[in-house]
Amino acid sequence: RKEVEQDPGPFNVPEGATVAFNCTYSNSASQSFFWYRQDCRKEPKLLMSVYSSGNEDGRFTAQLNRASQYISLLIRDSKLSDSATYLCVTQNFGNEKLTFGTGTRLTIIP
Amino acid sequence: GAVVSQHPSRVICKSGTSVKIECRSLDFQATTMFWYRQFPKKSLMLMATSNEGSKATYEQGVEKDKFLINHASLTLSTLTVTSAHPEDSSFYICSASTGTGNYEQYFGPGTRLTVT
Repeated sequence: RKEVEQDPGPFNVPEGATVAFNCTYSNSASQSFFWYRQDCRKEPKLLMSVYSSGNEDGRFTAQLNRASQYISLLIRDSKLSDSATYLCVTQNFGNEKLTFGTGTRLTIIP
Repeated sequence: GAVVSQHPSRVICKSGTSVKIECRSLDFQATTMFWYRQFPKKSLMLMATSNEGSKATYEQGVEKDKFLINHASLTLSTLTVTSAHPEDSSFYICSASTGTGNYEQYFGPGTRLTVT
């Protein structure tokens, strides 16, 4: 079983719609959680960290459920520029090593 | 701030040759650098972690004699793919961390290696 699992998609969503991605992780030692976005043939870029209380950054909302070891990302009012692969990432306490999920590919359709 | 560069961005080499990829932190000192490999439509897989002035720590299944990592200064780490084969063709990405309590990693733009 992969340590971080995501639905690979692809998700094809009309512009303006709301889309949600989920991610589960198996390592209970994971303490920090992130969503990264990666454009085709580019490096991953940090989208947002994910906190237990949930956090919002503009159109993006991230949630963490430690009991279920589950992370989500919600994108509201999707834009064409949101088309990318979204990577769920975990990090253990006191360890800088990041563990990446396989990513969920999103395409926003005009 | 927190800019990481990689060179070259793209390289094509013949089977059996060696290729060196450089990763530089341009505006901060990176005590730790990480090397990842990404195959098409796959996720990033950590290959090794390198700390300045010490030997790299390789992940399970990564051959240390094939993927030589040198982290000689606080701003430069190099990955050398020795005796490259077509199956080594991949996207190699480095990241750097200051390691001072903030575990954020800053990623380089990646190097696309094609071995013919």
